[in-house]
Amino acid sequence: GESVGLHLPTLSVQEGDNSIINCAYSNSASDYFIWYKQESGKGPQFIIDIRSNMDKRQGQRVTVLLNKTVKHLSLQIAATQPGDSAVYFCADGGGSNYKLTFGKGTLLTVNP
Amino acid sequence: NAGVTQTPKFQVLKTGQSMTLQCAQDMNHNSMYWYRQDPGMGLRLIYYSASEGTTDKGEVPNGYNVSRLNKREFSLRLESAAPSQTSVYFCASKRGGQGDQPQHFGDGTRLSIL
Repeated sequence: GESVGLHLPTLSVQEGDNSIINCAYSNSASDYFIWYKQESGKGPQFIIDIRSNMDKRQGQRVTVLLNKTVKHLSLQIAATQPGDSAVYFCADGGGSNYKLTFGKGTLLTVNP
Repeated sequence: NAGVTQTPKFQVLKTGQSMTLQCAQDMNHNSMYWYRQDPGMGLRLIYYSASEGTTDKGEVPNGYNVSRLNKREFSLRLESAAPSQTSVYFCASKRGGQGDQPQHFGDGTRLSIL
């Protein structure tokens, strides 16, 4: 079946730096993508989403970029803070109105 | 703002025991989901309910049953627990209908089967 993958399982950054987390997807029919943040002992928390008719979307300190040509999306976190330390998942709508396919996650560690 | 509430938060079972995991949402969402999360495997969909009165299998349904009790509640049942079902279980909900919306998750039930 189609899958969503992440390029790096771990990412370590210094406080104040910008972070970039990458995600590749393989389903050409995918038209909706979501980034989630999961802190230890908690459920995934919605960060930002993007539809396939866009190539960039910005939120508060976060930006998602979508490159449909190479089936790649990224999450950029500006001025990374210790509270940003968590596992980040991308999820792929896969053209379905109901189901999401999740990547395995990237662990972001922010060093003070 | 309760959002998605899961009970219990932790549970230990013996092999062969049965158990029902409860999930309720107060956001008037139409669609609800059950996932399991294992180390290195990400989240895998067990069952989902696109709307009240319907349920469908996800990626890993074997060994589980679900009930969409009403619009708010969606339960997951293990009839005869096996050690391979040791996992963290997450319930999620989504507004549903036309258009794309994110799923919103509860904080999980940590289940150990001995």
